[in-house]
Formats: sequence, structure tokens, C-alpha cells
Amino acid sequence: SQQGEEDPQALSIQEGENATMNCSYKTSINNLQWYRQNSGRGLVHLILIRSNEREKHSGRLRVTLDTSKKSSSLLITASRAADTASYFCATGLTDKLIFGTGTRLQVFP
Amino acid sequence: DAGVTQSPTHLIKTRGQHVTLRCSPISGHKSVSWYQQVLGQGPQFIFQYYEKEERGRGNFPDRFSARQFPNYSSELNVNALLLGDSALYLCASSKPGPAVNTQYFGPGTRLTVL
Repeated sequence: SQQGEEDPQALSIQEGENATMNCSYKTSINNLQWYRQNSGRGLVHLILIRSNEREKHSGRLRVTLDTSKKSSSLLITASRAADTASYFCATGLTDKLIFGTGTRLQVFP
Repeated sequence: DAGVTQSPTHLIKTRGQHVTLRCSPISGHKSVSWYQQVLGQGPQFIFQYYEKEERGRGNFPDRFSARQFPNYSSELNVNALLLGDSALYLCASSKPGPAVNTQYFGPGTRLTVL
């Protein structure tokens, strides 16, 4: 079963715009991770945020975490066509990750 | 360093057959996990192996089994294939350690059951 859901399920934007996707989860967590997947291939780890952190940055990525609402958001600034992919949030205490349903992002040049 | 490798890339089987998928972790990684990703959904955890022992199992039937070898590579076996087993099977490896570890995923094996 999935841990939660990403919202929106699909997002289409123009290059240069910002993309925001949200993730909700069901159980208490120690950390939350975001992954990217290109065209049904392997997943690439983007960023990990721990439960005692509220915000984290990595390049053009900004992740926030609200444990009281059991939700997280991923912001991609100044998007590029190469950012076109599916984005998943995942939680887990060990190496057993529980993924959300994903957001499909399409960035048009 | 080479990333996680999986073989084969694609596989077509018929119902009732069995299949073996293979995974080689990143050098130095001792933990291997397997995930099933059905089209349009997020990956679902199947197994985790660490130091050749099963450390976790997801909600999958006994038709699914796995093992890890002394070199830390791993095999996923699925018996009596069903149409619903058609999916992308992902392998991930990670370093051992006390904290939560980043998992590095392979490109996956696309299994089609006809």
C-alpha cells in the first residue's frame, strides 16, 4: 500500500516557471525523501529532510516539512525541460521505503 | 564507481512461468532492496536483504522470493507468474550504518507477462 499521495497528480508548466508538488503521509516519520524518475526508469535521490527540520535547500530544490500536518512540499525553481519526470516522496525507518503515488511534471520549452 | 546494475533490461514471459531477476549493488554496499512498480503507481517494497539475510518483506505472496549472495548481489524470483506481475522491478542498494541511508536505484527490469 502507498504511504500517501502526491498532489497534483500531473503538472504542466513552461520553462523558467516554478513547480510545486505536495506530499501527504499517514504515519509518524523520522525523515522524508524525494526521488525523481525519468520515463519509467530508475529513481534518483534528490533530497532528504529529517523530522526535526522544517526546510532544506539543494540547488534549485527547496523542500519543506510540516510534521503536524503530515505533509511536505517540493519546489523546483526556474524549471528546465530536463526537469520533466515523475517525482515521488518516500518515508521509511530503514531501507524499506514507502512511496507516494507521484507527481508527473511536464516542463515545456 | 559503477552504479546499481540490473539484468535483464526487459523480459517477456507467459502466465505460469517463473522468472529470475538479478541485481548487482554499488561496490561497498551491503544492503539490497527490491521494489515493484506497476504502471502509474509508486514503487512498492518487496524485500530487503542485508549481509545475506532477509531483513524485511513487503505484502507480497510466497510466489516471490529472493536471496543475496556472498558478493552482495541479489536475485529476485517470481514463480507461477500472473498477468498482474507485469511491472518494473527495481533494485536499490545502500551502505550500512546507524542512520537512514540513501538508497541508490538501478535502471530496473521491465517484466511483461502475457
